[in-house]
Amino acid sequence: QVQLQESGPGLVKPSQTLSLTCTVSGGSISSGGYYWSWIRQHPGKGLEWIGYIYYSGSTYYNPSLKSRVTISVDTSKNQFSLKLSSVTAADTAVYYCARVQKYSSSSALDYWGQGTLVTVSS
Amino acid sequence: DIQMTQSPSSLSASVGDRVTITCRASQSISSYLNWYQQKPGKAPKLLIYAASSLQSGVPSRFSGSGSGTDFTLTISSLQPEDFATYYCQQSYSTPKENTFGQGTRLEIK
Repeated sequence: QVQLQESGPGLVKPSQTLSLTCTVSGGSISSGGYYWSWIRQHPGKGLEWIGYIYYSGSTYYNPSLKSRVTISVDTSKNQFSLKLSSVTAADTAVYYCARVQKYSSSSALDYWGQGTLVTVSS
Repeated sequence: DIQMTQSPSSLSASVGDRVTITCRASQSISSYLNWYQQKPGKAPKLLIYAASSLQSGVPSRFSGSGSGTDFTLTISSLQPEDFATYYCQQSYSTPKENTFGQGTRLEIK
C-alpha cells in the first residue's frame, strides 16, 4: 500500500520561501510509471494543481505559479519536494502531495498525503 | 487553458436519493476526466477515472459517464457517508496542465 506524508513548517513569514517534503512509502519513486504531484487548497476553497515531477527530474508547473515554484526529487530518500518563493497571505493553504497513476485513456491522482496546513503570517 | 465547470455548486438530497452532478469542459477532453470525493478535513479520494472506470474499492453505486465536453457523476442511492464535496478533474493535458472543477457540495436534506 503506497503512502505519502507531507512534512515541513506550518508557519512561513511573508516574502520567505515555503518548503515542503513528501515522503513516499510502500513503493519506489524511481520505479517509473508515475508522476508525483503537489496540489493545494485554500481554506474553504477548491483544489489547485501546483505541479508534477517525474522520477527523472522532468517538471511541469501551473503557469500561474511557475515563476515561484520549484519541485525536485530525491530518489535516494524516496522523497519529492516543493519550494514556493516570495510567499504572501494568498499562499496560505493546505498542501497535498499525490501520486499520478497513468491509465490507457486518462491519468489520475490515486494516492494522496493527508495534507499539511501552511499559514503565511508575520 | 481548459476550464472545468461543475453544476450545481451545491445540492441537498436525502438518503436513498439518486443524485447526478455535471461537469463541463471548455474544450473536448475525450474521456480524460476524473471524479474525486472529499470529506471535511480529509484528502480527496479518487472515485472514477477515465470518465467511467470505477476505482478499486469504490462502491458500485457510484458511476460516471460522458465524453468530449460533458460528463456526469451519478450516485444511484445516497448513503449517509456520501455527503461530501465532489470534484471533477481533466487530465487531457497532463502533465503540462491540470485543472479541477470548482466542486459540488452534497448536503443532507
